[in-house]
Amino acid sequence: KNEVEQSPQNLTAQEGEFITINCSYSVGISALHWLQQHPGGGIVSLFMLSSGKKKHGRLIATINIQEKHSSLHITASHPRDSAVYICAVMRGATNKLIFGTGTLLAVQP
Amino acid sequence: DTEVTQTPKHLVMGMTNKKSLKCEQHMGHRAMYWYKQKAKKPPELMFVYSYEKLSINESVPSRFSPECPNSSLLNLHLHALQPEDSALYLCASSQDNRYGTGAETQYFGPGTRLLVL
Repeated sequence: KNEVEQSPQNLTAQEGEFITINCSYSVGISALHWLQQHPGGGIVSLFMLSSGKKKHGRLIATINIQEKHSSLHITASHPRDSAVYICAVMRGATNKLIFGTGTLLAVQP
Repeated sequence: DTEVTQTPKHLVMGMTNKKSLKCEQHMGHRAMYWYKQKAKKPPELMFVYSYEKLSINESVPSRFSPECPNSSLLNLHLHALQPEDSALYLCASSQDNRYGTGAETQYFGPGTRLLVL
């Protein structure tokens, strides 16, 4: 079993829909990252969080440390949000990220 | 400047060639990383440098040789690669507080797409 699990693996939405991507992990962590990767492209860090909730534009990330669970929400989704979203956790005082398998999001106009 | 740059963008090499990938950042970050990413898979960590010293080597074959000549530059020297080494190679950097929690945002470069023939 992977230490970081994401769901769903694939998600298709209509423009304007509210989107939720989930991440569960089974290890102790110092922080959780949400990353975005467009096809053929590099990776952009969206959020790093260790507690509570963060918001940036239409993106919201939450984490529940007790339940070892995080969610990434996209409000008013747009075709340009189409990308792979990756959850990754950092264990303790290390520089090593453990990645989930990613969620491929397609937002249709 | 919050950019990590990588050169070249694309590289095609034969199994007997020697080539190098380069990564550069000017954010004052003291931790730098090499990742390998195969299609439709998450990145796999290869190496971590902290304060110009190799701190993590994820059992990477010796045909991959990292080098960190200074705090802004990271190289990956390639020699005698195999076709299965074809992948996207990503560089990243982060602040590295040696005495902190390790919870640092990593900034990724655009990657070098490598094809080994």
